[in-house]
Amino acid sequence: RKEVEQDPGPFNVPEGATVAFNCTYSNSASQSFFWYRQDCRKEPKLLMSVYSSGNEDGRFTAQLNRASQYISLLIRDSKLSDSATYLCVVSGGSYIPTFGRGTSLIVHP
Amino acid sequence: NAGVTQTPKFRVLKTGQSMTLLCAQDMNHEYMYWYRQDPGMGLRLIHYSVGEGTTAKGEVPDGYNVSRLKKQNFLLGLESAAPSQTSVYFCASGAGFSTDTQYFGPGTRLTVL
Repeated sequence: RKEVEQDPGPFNVPEGATVAFNCTYSNSASQSFFWYRQDCRKEPKLLMSVYSSGNEDGRFTAQLNRASQYISLLIRDSKLSDSATYLCVVSGGSYIPTFGRGTSLIVHP
Repeated sequence: NAGVTQTPKFRVLKTGQSMTLLCAQDMNHEYMYWYRQDPGMGLRLIHYSVGEGTTAKGEVPDGYNVSRLKKQNFLLGLESAAPSQTSVYFCASGAGFSTDTQYFGPGTRLTVL
């Protein structure tokens, strides 16, 4: 079982919709959690960090559920420009950061 | 401030040839990483470095070597390229190991025939 798992999608949603992705992780000692965004044929870029208390940045909200070992990303009022692949990253302490395989989002008019 | 740069952007090799990919960062980051990204596989860590003169193996190190002679540069070498090494290679750097944002270069698209 891969250490970090994501539903590859694609999630196909209309503009204005709310969409949520989950990312599960297996290492209970994980300490740091991130969401990255990757556009087609481009490098990943940090979207937001995920804190224990949750994190909100405009239309984006990230949550951490340690008991069930998953993080989530909620996108409200989806825009065409939100179409991308969303990668979760789990790391912490001395072990290397591990990327999920990514979830593809397609926002259509 | 260029961030993280990678050279070259594209390369085609024949099986058995060698090459070196160069990664440079101007953010004075201690930590640098080399990843490969294949369709459906996500990003997989090849090697990483926690400081000048240090290197360590990641998840998929076989067939690759690395060097970090200068803090700002991290080189990835393929001594004898194989078709299985056809991939997109990303370099990244960060201020903290595992706990901080990673900044990625634009990638190198390598094809091994």
